[in-house]
Amino acid sequence: GAVVSQHPSWVICKSGTSVKIECRSLDFQATTMFWYRQFPKQSLMLMATSNEGSKATYEQGVEKDKFLINHASLTLSTLTVTSAHPEDSSFYICSARRPGQVNEKLFFGSGTQLSVL
Amino acid sequence: AQSVSQHNHHVILSEAASLELGCNYSYGGTVNLFWYVQYPGQHLQLLLKYFSGDPLVKGIKGFEADFIKSKFSFNLRKPSVQWSDTAEYFCAVNPMAAGNKLTFGGGTRVLVKP
Repeated sequence: GAVVSQHPSWVICKSGTSVKIECRSLDFQATTMFWYRQFPKQSLMLMATSNEGSKATYEQGVEKDKFLINHASLTLSTLTVTSAHPEDSSFYICSARRPGQVNEKLFFGSGTQLSVL
Repeated sequence: AQSVSQHNHHVILSEAASLELGCNYSYGGTVNLFWYVQYPGQHLQLLLKYFSGDPLVKGIKGFEADFIKSKFSFNLRKPSVQWSDTAEYFCAVNPMAAGNKLTFGGGTRVLVKP
């Protein structure tokens, strides 16, 4: 079956540094990927929709200059948390949509737990 | 390995039929549980969640879920579906010991025939 790989699984960084998270679709081409964030005791929140070859679409309240999304190829989207602060500590997860009229399906990465010290 | 299993990949039913989607997980400790739905062309939306308390959880759009700790299950139900319930449904588990980490089941595609 289709697999979405997300890396790294855990990252600890110092405040003020930048962290890059990768989301790869391993056996299909994903023109659209989604980035979500989950805080403790809350549900997932969509941050942005990543579209291959074009700018990401950010949800209201998400700072696009802080959460840089690049979808340079059909199999890779990256989320860079710039100048991370402790309040950015969260669980980030990506998903990729495998296109197809009949079999279009969403697959999830394994997520990244970010801890900013 | 710890995992989340959704038993049915595809479900086809008629309007007014009852729906039940199974979800089992293999984590032994305390967990938070979620059901999400993705309608065609849209992103994930939260249907309902369980953190603690009454194991029968009522969510939006007439959905409810039953947390049975002894069976490691969190099945989703709706007594009478509508055509607009056609979507893909995802069960997700957040083990308390894993911080915020969320693991999704493989999803169940539901098609409701008018």
